[in-house]
Amino acid sequence: DAKTTQPPSMDCAEGRAANLPCNHSTISGNEYVYWYRQIHSQGPQYIIHGLKNNETNEMASLIITEDRKSSTLILPHATLRDTAVYYCIVGNAGNMLTFGGGTRLMVKP
Amino acid sequence: EPEVTQTPSHQVTQMGQEVILRCVPISNHLYFYWYRQILGQKVEFLVSFYNNEISEKSEIFDDQFSVERPDGSNFTLKIRSTKLEDSAMYFCASNPLTGAYNEQFFGPGTRLTVL
Repeated sequence: DAKTTQPPSMDCAEGRAANLPCNHSTISGNEYVYWYRQIHSQGPQYIIHGLKNNETNEMASLIITEDRKSSTLILPHATLRDTAVYYCIVGNAGNMLTFGGGTRLMVKP
Repeated sequence: EPEVTQTPSHQVTQMGQEVILRCVPISNHLYFYWYRQILGQKVEFLVSFYNNEISEKSEIFDDQFSVERPDGSNFTLKIRSTKLEDSAMYFCASNPLTGAYNEQFFGPGTRLTVL
């Protein structure tokens, strides 16, 4: 599976958009980009995934560059409950998820 | 909304003892996984299970570990002889594998403490 690089931490003001970047320059053509988050010590939670096109769901938007070497997760109106570690993972369906260090997002009032 | 459940939430055991961690995946899911997270460290993959057999396993998943789906609903992880370094949160996950993507649903975890 391709490796990803994320900033270790970010801050965001409550109510503002949180933009979390991820580099995955070695991604292969059939690998998806997945985003998960882990709130405190809970089990990781799926947020969104994409292959080539930008995607949006009720939690977030995912912007993937045309060359697929990087992506950005956008939480449009961050709340205090969005404080968590966010993981960008690339891989194929059914495969294990390889978690890196993620980005620790702190949403501040 | 269906969810993955795990029991117990916290297990304390003595070094050398056997432990069984239990998981009930979401009922129509096809792929099952165990992960662990040592305190302050990354989430690490242990094993995946599909069609009643191990699909993939990591280097961590040595002969001391085994998995089983004994009755079509439970999915268990057994550690035969626990070591101090097995102390961690153990997460079970399941995946419906509908379409070509990898949405894994994680349980709340079992905190294993080996004394």
